[in-house]
Amino acid sequence: DADVTQTPRNRITKTGKRIMLECSQTKGHDRMYWYRQDPGLGLQLIYYSFDVKDINKGEISDGYSVSRQAQAKFSLSLESAIPNQTALYFCATSDPPGGTIDDEQYFGPGTRLTVT
Amino acid sequence: GENVEQHPSTLSVQEGDSAVIKCTYSDSASNYFPWYKQELGKRPQLIIDIRSNVGEKKDQRIAVTLNKTAKHFSLHITETQPEDSAVYFCAAPILTGGGNKLTFGTGTQLKVEL
Repeated sequence: DADVTQTPRNRITKTGKRIMLECSQTKGHDRMYWYRQDPGLGLQLIYYSFDVKDINKGEISDGYSVSRQAQAKFSLSLESAIPNQTALYFCATSDPPGGTIDDEQYFGPGTRLTVT
Repeated sequence: GENVEQHPSTLSVQEGDSAVIKCTYSDSASNYFPWYKQELGKRPQLIIDIRSNVGEKKDQRIAVTLNKTAKHFSLHITETQPEDSAVYFCAAPILTGGGNKLTFGTGTQLKVEL
């Protein structure tokens, strides 16, 4: 879905480096999410934001931080990268209709991060 | 803790056969159950979802059934085709004080063999 973009698409970095992954969306959605995907572990939620002033920790937030710069932008930072943060990272957005709790999430293309 | 369990982790079927993937969830308040398909190297995409006010939903060759009493839901794919080969994820919202979180199952690798 070209409406949700992620940069970079691939990144190799060294242990201890700070790295930022960026997500932008043109769907006008309020809700944005960061997930991590490891083989055999599905999609694990790192952080999520229901609007610009709202940030919530997910299942695996340790070692990560986020910034919601605008409705359209949600960045994920690894303050000091370590090898076990090597994974595929997905950003997603959603916009549940009024009165419903949840609805379809639209994923970005993913960022493959390797920490050596 | 609250989670979603998905079985099997791998499934191999012959083209034309049916495939069934099952998920169980722990939060009795969950009321929305989506299924996502992820092709190799691609992003997950929603293929079907169901809300708790219905027990079954169909869309061509795919269907989802929900048993709220037993807290499980299943994906059914009939007349499987090679292009159905992918990883499938179920999910359910876990309601917390910080807001609703969608929790995903660990995925099922479906292979449709010719």
